[in-house]
Amino acid sequence: DAGITQSPRHKVTETGTPVTLRCHQTENHRYMYWYRQDPGHGLRLIHYSYGVKDTDKGEVSDGYSVSRSKTEDFLLTLESATSSQTSVYFCAIRRDGMNTEAFFGQGTRLTVV
Amino acid sequence: AQTVTQSQPEMSVQEAETVTLSCTYDTSESDYYLFWYKQPPSRQMILVIRQEAYKQQNATENRFSVNFQKAAKSFSLKISDSQLGDAAMYFCAYKRNYGGATNKLIFGTGTLLAVQP
Repeated sequence: DAGITQSPRHKVTETGTPVTLRCHQTENHRYMYWYRQDPGHGLRLIHYSYGVKDTDKGEVSDGYSVSRSKTEDFLLTLESATSSQTSVYFCAIRRDGMNTEAFFGQGTRLTVV
Repeated sequence: AQTVTQSQPEMSVQEAETVTLSCTYDTSESDYYLFWYKQPPSRQMILVIRQEAYKQQNATENRFSVNFQKAAKSFSLKISDSQLGDAAMYFCAYKRNYGGATNKLIFGTGTLLAVQP
């Protein structure tokens, strides 16, 4: 399972509140990604990281920020949650030396009410 | 920009039969990977099969095989001897083979496969 843990697995929050999702990996790979999954859209990239403090935006980054202060942790923050951010969020890694597929965490279902 | 299209939102197959899921993609690159991921109700994303664009031979993994047509930019997944456990959402994905962290996965919208007993 590539040693990826996402927390929490489920969360319900109110509009306007900040929310932080955590992705933890046990294998210390450089590349980590946050995706969101929505019906009719598949998975879309929010942000990604290529090392500690090295992050960049994906295609749907508005309203999200990320931080990576340690190799093993990649945090996704919704500064002020909106109903349009209700989604399933996936963290993924790409194993160092393997320029192929990504390995995914179990996902976090976030509901903004 | 690269795009991936799955034109079949839902498919159904009888147990033990064969089903083919379609995927087309658009890219100007010549060096890339294509993938099929399976997402069962557990929500876990599971890699089913991988195809490298420079390999002409179609990839096969047990009951799963692909028909890769590079010129037509088509990448279909064939599931033989379908089993109840194959019921899931299937995503086709593309990734170019260079660019470091920026060679991210691009996904299609998915095909929901039902398997009838």
